[in-house]
Amino acid sequence: AQSVTQPDIHITVSEGASLELRCNYSYGATPYLFWYVQSPGQGLQLLLKYFSGDTLVQGIKGFEAEFKRSQSSFNLRKPSVHWSDAAEYFCAVVPMEYGNKLVFGAGTILRVKS
Amino acid sequence: DAGVIQSPRHEVTEMGQEVTLRCKPISGHDYLFWYRQTMMRGLELLIYFNNNVPIDDSGMPEDRFSAKMPNASFSTLKIQPSEPRDSAVYFCASALAAGNEQFFGPGTRLTVL
Repeated sequence: AQSVTQPDIHITVSEGASLELRCNYSYGATPYLFWYVQSPGQGLQLLLKYFSGDTLVQGIKGFEAEFKRSQSSFNLRKPSVHWSDAAEYFCAVVPMEYGNKLVFGAGTILRVKS
Repeated sequence: DAGVIQSPRHEVTEMGQEVTLRCKPISGHDYLFWYRQTMMRGLELLIYFNNNVPIDDSGMPEDRFSAKMPNASFSTLKIQPSEPRDSAVYFCASALAAGNEQFFGPGTRLTVL
């Protein structure tokens, strides 16, 4: 089935450690790709997006993501996590065959321990 | 710009009552989306509009749900009658163009008792 998969429901990292959140999609054509962050009780904020071109994209708050076509992946990374990064992270795609719909993964909850 | 504005932020109502959620998109954005977020089902697209016209309402769960966009700066999502299983956070988002990033409002947390 066509979908967006975030295999990790929860991740806990120590403050200052590096972070990688995984995202895979299963659509025929390369979709537009996004990462959003949601803090408790808040709406979703865009971290970064990929439409085409350079496969390593930089976002806000020191995040970056790499698109790998061969793996149908768009993993989110941060070299050094801060306590304020604790939130839920959503990978989302706009599949080319489905028009303008944004399809979300199930989300990954990030906990940061001091 | 103030971003996407939603009201109310919280709504508590009793089963059977009518509920109306409101959204003001970012000025100039041609697309407006309504989402529902629950623990069980995550984020679901309910309906979206382009230039005030509903384009895809396949995500609307049943006839109790309806959405309108009478003009470019206002949209409503109505549930009548409401049921406890409608309890969720409802988000409105807007986008400048097709496939572009969507800007989300703060959400309305609905509790149906």
